[in-house]
Amino acid sequence: EIVLTQSPGTLSLSPGERATLSCRATQSVSSNYLAWYQQKPGQAPRLLIHGATNRATGIPDRFSGSGSGTDFTLTISRLEPEDFAVYYCQQFGSSMYTFGQGTKLEIK
Amino acid sequence: QVQLVQSGAEVKKPGASVKVSCKASGYTFTSYKMHWVRQAPGQGLQYMGIIYPSGGSARYAQKFQGRVTMTRDTSTTTVYMEVSSLTSEDTAVYYCAREGSSLCYFDFWGQGTVVTVSS
Repeated sequence: EIVLTQSPGTLSLSPGERATLSCRATQSVSSNYLAWYQQKPGQAPRLLIHGATNRATGIPDRFSGSGSGTDFTLTISRLEPEDFAVYYCQQFGSSMYTFGQGTKLEIK
Repeated sequence: QVQLVQSGAEVKKPGASVKVSCKASGYTFTSYKMHWVRQAPGQGLQYMGIIYPSGGSARYAQKFQGRVTMTRDTSTTTVYMEVSSLTSEDTAVYYCAREGSSLCYFDFWGQGTVVTVSS
């Protein structure tokens, strides 16, 4: 099973700053099968990025994904107040879907 | 528009079973795989398994094999997920999630069903 490790566990930033979230896999992941989600308290996760770099429908362009192999990154270029939430990466490989443990993005 | 509407909250005793439903609308039900994901209180997302609405076959994450059953009813465009032999560790929010057309990600999610296991 491919394990995804997200870092940092918590990221404290201010609105307007740039956020960089990391997702590292124990084995190489096909870029086609790496996704990112945002989850706010009491809500279901929302798809942000699929195929490592493709923004989902309706996602603002301040969100971008990059990476390949075992290292992937979600970047939020300029934080808006509504961006403070928990972010999860997710992969499909070896016939299994797995999630990272999440990064909490909080207001500094 | 695509909608996944789940059944309401459940409270169960240890050892019982629970069956959660997820009614899909706004798209061709049999054309998209459906998954189940759960989230224990204060914890992350845990993948449970997949059902193929077209043929009805299902595949479960190893942790849940033998204790989880996923089914579907094409006449009502509804998928079901049943968990048996419940323990307190099964207390969680359970989500259904549709797999996107470009594969292997989840583009639409149900609102979640809270399952509480308590004696």
